[in-house]
Amino acid sequence: EAGVAQSPRYKIIEKRQSVAFWCNPISGHATLYWYQQILGQGPKLLIQFQNNGVVDDSQLPKDRFSAERLKGVDSTLKIQPAKLEDSAVYLCASRPLRQGLNTIYFGEGSWLTVV
Amino acid sequence: QKEVEQNSGPLSVPEGAIASLNCTYSDRGSQSFFWYRQYSGKSPELIMFIYSNGDKEDGRFTAQLNKASQYVSLLIRDSQPSDSATYLCAGQVDSSYKLIFGSGTRLLVRP
Repeated sequence: EAGVAQSPRYKIIEKRQSVAFWCNPISGHATLYWYQQILGQGPKLLIQFQNNGVVDDSQLPKDRFSAERLKGVDSTLKIQPAKLEDSAVYLCASRPLRQGLNTIYFGEGSWLTVV
Repeated sequence: QKEVEQNSGPLSVPEGAIASLNCTYSDRGSQSFFWYRQYSGKSPELIMFIYSNGDKEDGRFTAQLNKASQYVSLLIRDSQPSDSATYLCAGQVDSSYKLIFGSGTRLLVRP
């Protein structure tokens, strides 16, 4: 079974530029998460989708971050304009909708450096 | 703010010893708890989860949950240098399957 795919793996941009990250979850997984992990901290949930609907985006900085999950499969996370403090790893994760199955699976992450 | 708290460490133990990692949480409604291991530069990988009070064992790992004390722990027996990593505790705070992570505890196993 293929894992969660993310791209690009690494990105360096200047502040005030824009960047987009793409995620393809495991086939059939209805729930998709985007987490931000700053160096030395735990992952912070930015947004959670169930199919193509948003379940939680309470910690998404909506003035600069946006995310979408068209057709309930792939997802894109965009940052515009980027700030220095956005330097982090952006982790995409997915889980199946079946009740009782608690595992979420992480992708390898997209590493962002804002200079 | 629903929080999961962990001591950042590092926790240093000799090879072969038992490593004890702890986590507390603030939301009494939290249902399940997860322990993830994260090597430097890698994404988190699930070690085990627990949702009932008591102990759950899987190989060298034992998770313990005490809902009355809002306390979760992970014991690693016969620690190996390859266990050196950051261990993340996460709580599932409601039926939406949202996971809230702690900041992680760095474990160093000395050969």
